[in-house]
Amino acid sequence: KAGVTQTPRYLIKTRGQQVTLSCSPISGHRSVSWYQQTPGQGLQFLFEYFSETQRNKGNFPGRFSGRQFSNSRSEMNVSTLELGDSALYLCASSLWRGSADTQYFGPGTRLTVL
Amino acid sequence: GENVEQHPSTLSVQEGDSAVIKCTYSDSASNYFPWYKQELGKRPQLIIDIRSNVGEKKDQRIAVTLNKTAKHFSLHITETQPEDSAVYFCAASKRKANDYKLSFGAGTTVTVRA
Repeated sequence: KAGVTQTPRYLIKTRGQQVTLSCSPISGHRSVSWYQQTPGQGLQFLFEYFSETQRNKGNFPGRFSGRQFSNSRSEMNVSTLELGDSALYLCASSLWRGSADTQYFGPGTRLTVL
Repeated sequence: GENVEQHPSTLSVQEGDSAVIKCTYSDSASNYFPWYKQELGKRPQLIIDIRSNVGEKKDQRIAVTLNKTAKHFSLHITETQPEDSAVYFCAASKRKANDYKLSFGAGTTVTVRA
């Protein structure tokens, strides 16, 4: 089976812009979780989607949002970008609900905000 | 929320020696504890996990132990090899309605000296 894929792999944006990242889970996986990875804060949970519904959300401002489609593909959106949003954004898929099952990570999208 | 602490932050070992990484968690309801290995520029990859009904699990040179009473779990790598050099993350989660998320430790950078 193909692994988790994320597009694009790299993005450069300027402050104030918005960005959309995409994640395609492993075939058959229904849960997608998103994480932000930074050198200072480590891996932090953003949100989890299952059956097109957000099931859980981390401590991030409302500028961070996401959605999941009927084929389980997920997108996350960050509006009004700030310098501090520069990070590696990772998505992870699992067969069933989020972290109750093994999560497999994608390669990540490296976002740089200038 | 769950708080996972990981020690040490860096670990340098001679090839062939053992490496031990320890994590503590705060929420006694946590019952799933995966370990991820992240090589430079690559995605986190699950290397081993343990659930709360098991005290120890082994997979070749890697083992994980869990002490639920003390709320800590450890990763043991024996006969270390240069390819074990990476950042290792522990994580914890709990099976609780609408509260599925992985809380990660800050990571341990392991360097295996040839």
